[in-house]
Amino acid sequence: DVKVTQSSRYLVKRTGEKVFLECVQDMDHENMFWYRQDPGLGLRLIYFSYDVKMKEKGDIPEGYSVSREKKERFSLILESASTNQTSMYLCASSLWSGSSGRSPHEQFFGPGTRLTVL
Amino acid sequence: TQLLEQSPQFLSIQEGENLTVYCNSSSVFSSLQWYRQEPGEGPVLLVTVVTGGEVKKLKRLTFQFGDARKDSSLHITAAQPGDTGLYLCAGASSGTYKYIFGTGTRLKVLA
Repeated sequence: DVKVTQSSRYLVKRTGEKVFLECVQDMDHENMFWYRQDPGLGLRLIYFSYDVKMKEKGDIPEGYSVSREKKERFSLILESASTNQTSMYLCASSLWSGSSGRSPHEQFFGPGTRLTVL
Repeated sequence: TQLLEQSPQFLSIQEGENLTVYCNSSSVFSSLQWYRQEPGEGPVLLVTVVTGGEVKKLKRLTFQFGDARKDSSLHITAAQPGDTGLYLCAGASSGTYKYIFGTGTRLKVLA
């Protein structure tokens, strides 16, 4: 059974704290993603990684950074948490479709981390 | 910027009714996916459509990709309480990694 796990289901932090969200996948996928989900806005891509130590900015990278030291692990870092970063954070992984012109593969999602910043 | 608009945003219906959810964009996508998300869980893929005009069926769910590959619909026949959840469409362009997710339709089916 394929699995994407996230370190916490619920997290409460204070403004200005440094926050780490961890994601691990056991499917040997090349691609890993971090999204945030807010009501009425769908899922918005924060960062993407297609290989170890490789990362690309998504649509809303401001205030976030990422780390991918091992293929199975992708971390999202909030350097100085702010109240507007209160949200549901979803991690996902997928196979690499390459540059062959094929469409991207199915994404497998973790259960999410609901972060509240006070 | 590519956008995917879903309608309706909320839908509450009685068990046994039929419904259709729409996913629209001004952009062309090479493929479009539909996901369902239940409370406390991440989205799970239902279907991928890749050809303009394509229709796929998954039990009581029928998915259609528009001829111009800019829109899609999800039709549920005889809805059941187990269909309750958030339905998300996601479009992608070939050769890219990036999925554009729709705004979501929250469905509640009452017994």
